[in-house]
Amino acid sequence: GESVGLHLPTLSVQEGDNSIINCAYSNSASDYFIWYKQESGKGPQFIIDIRSNMDKRQGQRVTVLLNKTVKHLSLQIAATQPGDSAVYFCAESPGNTPLVFGKGTRLSVIA
Amino acid sequence: KAGVTQTPRYLIKTRGQQVTLSCSPISGHRSVSWYQQTPGQGLQFLFEYFSETQRNKGNFPGRFSGRQFSNSRSEMNVSTLELGDSALYLCASSSGDRRNTEAFFGQGTRLTVV
Repeated sequence: GESVGLHLPTLSVQEGDNSIINCAYSNSASDYFIWYKQESGKGPQFIIDIRSNMDKRQGQRVTVLLNKTVKHLSLQIAATQPGDSAVYFCAESPGNTPLVFGKGTRLSVIA
Repeated sequence: KAGVTQTPRYLIKTRGQQVTLSCSPISGHRSVSWYQQTPGQGLQFLFEYFSETQRNKGNFPGRFSGRQFSNSRSEMNVSTLELGDSALYLCASSSGDRRNTEAFFGQGTRLTVV
């Protein structure tokens, strides 16, 4: 497959464990955040979003936490599966402007 | 409901040539954004089109241009290709009615400049 990024931070987790992927965003004016998953050779896939008026949002097996005080976003994946192996990006939108993406984190699930 | 479709999936071009990439957004979506993805720079915003008008533009040279048609399909063009233009070009569609909405990506076009 094609490599999304050769020097990304990597998180290795055991299958069945919970994963936590962190993201520090840059703009205090950002009011909308999205997490994307990108598998090799594919485009980014929407996972979950959160607006700045919330600090937590849950989806199926995923939870996003937002801490505006320290400009920090995290994605928690419960019971991580081999199919979760991918590069994960956070993206922020500083109010009515296009998404700005972080560099990404590679999640590697050990079976 | 069909997803975002980008064509072609792969392209090989020679330095100095020009290239046109196409993106068909999700039906009903009026906003199309283009991104360049490289291992070194990550995902970088090129431009956004909404209702046939460029609404936002990133920090790329004028060799990169785009347009949007009345059916919301979008094309981007890169003229006088350079080796550094080799990248995965991604387009994302969203409703565009409020800018902070979900954006869905296509599979991308892998451009290689030799």
